[in-house]
Amino acid sequence: GENVEQHPSTLSVQEGDSAVIKCTYSDSASNYFPWYKQELGKGPQLIIDIRSNVGEKKDQRIAVTLNKTAKHFSLHITETQPEDSAVYFCAASIDDYKLSFGAGTTVTVRA
Amino acid sequence: DAGITQSPRHKVTETGTPVTLRCHQTENHRYMYWYRQDPGHGLRLIHYSYGVKDTDKGEVSDGYSVSRSKTEDFLLTLESATSSQTSVYFCATSWGSYNEQFFGPGTRLTVL
Repeated sequence: GENVEQHPSTLSVQEGDSAVIKCTYSDSASNYFPWYKQELGKGPQLIIDIRSNVGEKKDQRIAVTLNKTAKHFSLHITETQPEDSAVYFCAASIDDYKLSFGAGTTVTVRA
Repeated sequence: DAGITQSPRHKVTETGTPVTLRCHQTENHRYMYWYRQDPGHGLRLIHYSYGVKDTDKGEVSDGYSVSRSKTEDFLLTLESATSSQTSVYFCATSWGSYNEQFFGPGTRLTVL
């Protein structure tokens, strides 16, 4: 099955700086790559996703890039704010609904 | 947010006892999923359903069974709970197979 590795496991950034989280996947047939944000005590929530026919997607301060040749994708958060502090998960899927998740990155934004 | 509730939210049980977790949704989503979340593993798919009475196994299905008799309810059963099933369990739903998955608030299960 699909194996997704996520780095780093923890990330501390100064408010206003950028944060980057990287994921690699093993199955070249994967074609859907969502990112989820999980706040303490809550379920994960989709923040952005990208499909294999697109190399980059942006939504305000959040962007995701995909390199299918290297089988890796990244989440970029610019101008970080305290409310960006959370656990972020990447995932990959061959058929959209059976998601394989990375282990998660705990992001802390320092004021 | 999709209307997804999970019950119970917390449960402590003993090894060998049966446990059933319930997921209820009010969005009329066709797909429903059960995940478990453990430190260092992210979320792992246990079982999923693509319609009433239509279910299939996920990545970590051993020791778990599911049932879906109505669109809005998806039950996860641990026939004989083991300590390795101590985890946080999340239910998720999606309109179709190519749509965003919405997650419930989770159930924290402790097996002593």
